[in-house]
Amino acid sequence: SQQGEEDPQALSIQEGENATMNCSYKTSINNLQWYRQNSGRGLVHLILIRSNEREKHSGRLRVTLDTSKKSSSLLITASRAADTASYFCATDEILFSGGYNKLIFGAGTRLAVHP
Amino acid sequence: DAGITQSPRYKITETGRQVTLMCHQTWSHSYMFWYRQDLGHGLRLIYYSAAADITDKGEVPDGYVVSRSKTENFPLTLESATRSQTSVYFCASSASSYNEQFFGPGTRLTVL
Repeated sequence: SQQGEEDPQALSIQEGENATMNCSYKTSINNLQWYRQNSGRGLVHLILIRSNEREKHSGRLRVTLDTSKKSSSLLITASRAADTASYFCATDEILFSGGYNKLIFGAGTRLAVHP
Repeated sequence: DAGITQSPRYKITETGRQVTLMCHQTWSHSYMFWYRQDLGHGLRLIYYSAAADITDKGEVPDGYVVSRSKTENFPLTLESATRSQTSVYFCASSASSYNEQFFGPGTRLTVL
């Protein structure tokens, strides 16, 4: 089952513009993570935001989390052609009472940044 | 080399054959995971392991077998490959189930 759903599915912008991607999820979470995947490569972790945090920054990345709306957004400012990739949100789900969490990934947003 | 590696990177096999995908990490992470990535489905968890000799099913375990005799290795075996198992397979590791996961480069498997 998919927990995180990204929106939009695809986004095309010019270099220098900002890119905003949204993620919605269904159940309570401990944290939410964003990953990037370049074509043909594995996923790379970008940022983790905990359920008691509302906003987090890392370089040109800004992530917000609204637990009341069960949604998160990833903002990439001053985008570059090198930001072209797919971006996934992942939420944790407790597997069983032993406390093991698993990440549930959405289908991703494909971002294309044109020079 | 430090990190997480997968082998082979590409594999073509035939229906009914047994295939093993290898995953090796050098961080001594406790947790290791196997995902498959298919268009329209994102990443789906096949199996995970919390430590050596501890493994459990994820969302889509049918047709797959895993083992973890050593902390650093987590092989995934398709006992009798089917066309529906054509996919890109990613291995990942993590220090804990709450932390970020580190992904390998993936294995592209084609079952004819």
